[in-house]
Amino acid sequence: GAVVSQHPSWVICKSGTSVKIECRSLDFQATTMFWYRQFPKQSLMLMATSNEGSKATYEQGVEKDKFLINHASLTLSTLTVTSAHPEDSSFYICSAPVWGKETQYFGPGTRLLVL
Amino acid sequence: GQQLNQSPQSMFIQEGEDVSMNCTSSSIFNTWLWYKQDPGEGPVLLIALYKAGELTSNGRLTAQFGITRKDSFLNISASIPSDVGIYFCAGPISNFGNEKLTFGTGTRLTIIP
Repeated sequence: GAVVSQHPSWVICKSGTSVKIECRSLDFQATTMFWYRQFPKQSLMLMATSNEGSKATYEQGVEKDKFLINHASLTLSTLTVTSAHPEDSSFYICSAPVWGKETQYFGPGTRLLVL
Repeated sequence: GQQLNQSPQSMFIQEGEDVSMNCTSSSIFNTWLWYKQDPGEGPVLLIALYKAGELTSNGRLTAQFGITRKDSFLNISASIPSDVGIYFCAGPISNFGNEKLTFGTGTRLTIIP
């Protein structure tokens, strides 16, 4: 099956620093990837759609200048949380659809803790 | 926007019992997906449903796409310890394929020793 990886798996940072999270499709190409955020005991909430070669599209209420997305190649999307604050602490998960299938494969997630 | 409500919110069962959970929507979906999430992991796809009335099995799991297209059910037979986790239903927001997903509220399954 399709494999999506994320790096790092967890990160702890000081308030005010920026954190970059990578999402890679390992055995397929993805022109589109999605970024989700999940707070404890809650469901996944879509943050943005990452588009290879063009700007990301953000869901309502998600600050595009706060969460920078770069989809530089067909196998890599990055999410940068700029000037992170404690309220940004969450579980960030990416996903990628496989062409021709109406399903998505998810990465293992990145847990961010901002102190 | 489209909302998916799952029930029950949580379940506490004994090993070997059967499990039933459902997912309802205020609007029609053309695809229903069921995912399982283990603690600290990303969701893993269990079953995908594409036609109203469709009944699909994956081992001990069986899922059905409701006739009205506004609901779906997931059953787990003879539960085992590794079934513990959170089960999410999901559907494509645009209903035109390969699009962003909306997730249900989740059903947390716990197995009592």
